[in-house]
Amino acid sequence: KQEVTQIPAALSVPEGENLVLNCSFTDSAIYNLQWFRQDPGKGLTSLLLIQSSQREQTSGRLNASLDKSSGRSTLYIAASQPGDSATYLCAVRNMEYGNKLVFGAGTILRVKS
Amino acid sequence: EAGVTQFPSHSVIEKGQTVTLRCDPISGHDNLYWYRRVMGKEIKFLLHFVKESKQDESGMPNNRFLAERTGGTYSTLKVQPAELEDSGVYFCASSLGGSGRGYEQYFGPGTRLTVT
Repeated sequence: KQEVTQIPAALSVPEGENLVLNCSFTDSAIYNLQWFRQDPGKGLTSLLLIQSSQREQTSGRLNASLDKSSGRSTLYIAASQPGDSATYLCAVRNMEYGNKLVFGAGTILRVKS
Repeated sequence: EAGVTQFPSHSVIEKGQTVTLRCDPISGHDNLYWYRRVMGKEIKFLLHFVKESKQDESGMPNNRFLAERTGGTYSTLKVQPAELEDSGVYFCASSLGGSGRGYEQYFGPGTRLTVT
């Protein structure tokens, strides 16, 4: 059974800081991994999708890495801004379990101005 | 391009009543998923449609939940009769299918269900 853990559960940083969010998963036989952002009361916005064959993906100030063999992914946010404040969710898809995503509990990020 | 839409955004019903949630996926997306988050827990998978067929129902909690996707377009999720533990946020997602990025799932804003 796949389990996804995200550390830290909450993070508060001053504006401009670079930060790293961590995601780990117990079953390394994943097909892909998605990072999402959720604003309060809103749906999930897909940030990055990393295929199992890839090591990293970049979008603007965001960079996600994947170490499949060790069951880890990190989301790096450069030069954080108050608008980055949200909950960040990591989710993995295993071929064995069909197309469903298994989610972590999320990291609540607050960027202070 | 319109994203995934869900209706209603919020529903408050009494225990024992029936509620129907609706999801309209992104046009052209064959895959449609339902997930839910109950208070304090992670988002959990409920089921997956490919066009009008149920591909995976492994996450459906019990037979009080019925999902349909007539014609392979929009989907409904009916809860009958609703229980207190059904309260939470119900998310719908869709994906194009195929391979690679075709599996990227796009989520709707969710329906917040409150059972009193």
